Parts: sequence; structure tokens; C-alpha cells
Amino acid sequence: KAGVTQTPRYLIKTRGQQVTLSCSPISGHRSVSWYQQTPGQGLQFLFEYFSETQRNKGNFPGRFSGRQFSNSRSEMNVSTLELGDSALYLCASSQFRIENTEAFFGQGTRLTVV
Amino acid sequence: GENVEQHPSTLSVQEGDSAVIKCTYSDSASNYFPWYKQELGKGPQLIIDIRSNVGEKKDQRIAVTLNKTAKHFSLHITETQPEDSAVYFCAALDNYGQNFVFGPGTRLSVLP
Repeated sequence: KAGVTQTPRYLIKTRGQQVTLSCSPISGHRSVSWYQQTPGQGLQFLFEYFSETQRNKGNFPGRFSGRQFSNSRSEMNVSTLELGDSALYLCASSQFRIENTEAFFGQGTRLTVV
Repeated sequence: GENVEQHPSTLSVQEGDSAVIKCTYSDSASNYFPWYKQELGKGPQLIIDIRSNVGEKKDQRIAVTLNKTAKHFSLHITETQPEDSAVYFCAALDNYGQNFVFGPGTRLSVLP
């Protein structure tokens, strides 16, 4: 059974640009959640999508957005990139909502903003 | 909102000894508490979780205890092995599933 796939694995972007990250969940999983990991702030929850609808959102500015497609694949977009957005972005998939089943993480996309 | 504290930040133990990591949370409405292990270059991996209606859960060498009154939960690893060396994160999910808050992590080193 294939795991959670995140693409690309590495990205370098310039301040002010925008970026789109992709997450393909485990087959049959309907929930995808996104996280930001930095040395300073640790692991922080961005948002969760379930059945193409955003179900909850962490404390991030509106520059961070996402969506989920009918096949459960999800994309996360960050607009007007700032240096502080440099981080490892992780997604996790679960069969149902986060609180109802365990979440499996991908290896992440490492974003560097210069 | 929810706040999760985790101690210690680093922990070194001899192979075969036990390791204990403790977390406290602030929101009494939180009801789901997972523990993740993250190895270098990999995403977090769920190793055990506990829900608010249970006080203790065990899976082979790993156990988690939850004290709802005191709002803290702990990870216990017995008979530690070098492959247990990693960063461990605790987390709490509030009752409404609105936010998923992680502790800052504990770097565990198991010395052979």
C-alpha cells in the first residue's frame, strides 16, 4: 500500500513569489491535514480538509490556503512568500477526520525562501 | 487556545533503561492525545495514542498514561534500544477538532 506522497521534496523560491505544494493521500483516505515544521516554532497545524471541505484551521495568515480535490489529493498554496515561510511542510492523511483515526505523514516538502 | 508543554527537551538513556517523556495541556476540552516519533529526514510516525475516556494504553514496549484531572499525559518506553533514538512529539486535539497542537519535542538518545 503506497504511503503519503508529497511533491516536490525540495523547493527554492524568492520573497514575494507564491508556491503550490501537493499531497497525495493513502488510497481510501479522505482527510488531508497540513503542518509547518521549523526549528523555532516546532510543528504547527495549518488546516485539515475532509471531503473537499476545509474542516478546521490553525493560526496562520490568509496567505496560506489549500484545497482538496474529489480524489482526495490536496494542494497547499502560500502567496507573497516571506523569509519566515522557510520550513518543512508536512501533510498527513487519515481515513476519516483526524480525531477519529490515526494520521499517516508524508516525508514533507522543504521550502526555502531567499 | 490549546497550549502543550513537553519535558524534557533532550533525554539520554543507556540501552535497556526506561525513558519517560511528559506533556501537559491547557484545554480541558481536548480529548485525543497522540505521540509521534520523527527520525532524521522523515515525517512523524504515530507510535501510540490515547483518548480522554482511557487512563492508560500499552503496546509492547510503549505505554501512554493520561491524567485528565491534572491535564497531563506521559510516554513510557521500556527496554530502550538504539533504534528508539529520535525526536518524540506529543499532541492534543481539542474536543471540536478545531486545532491540533504539538509539543516542542524531545530528542531521545539511547546510548549503546
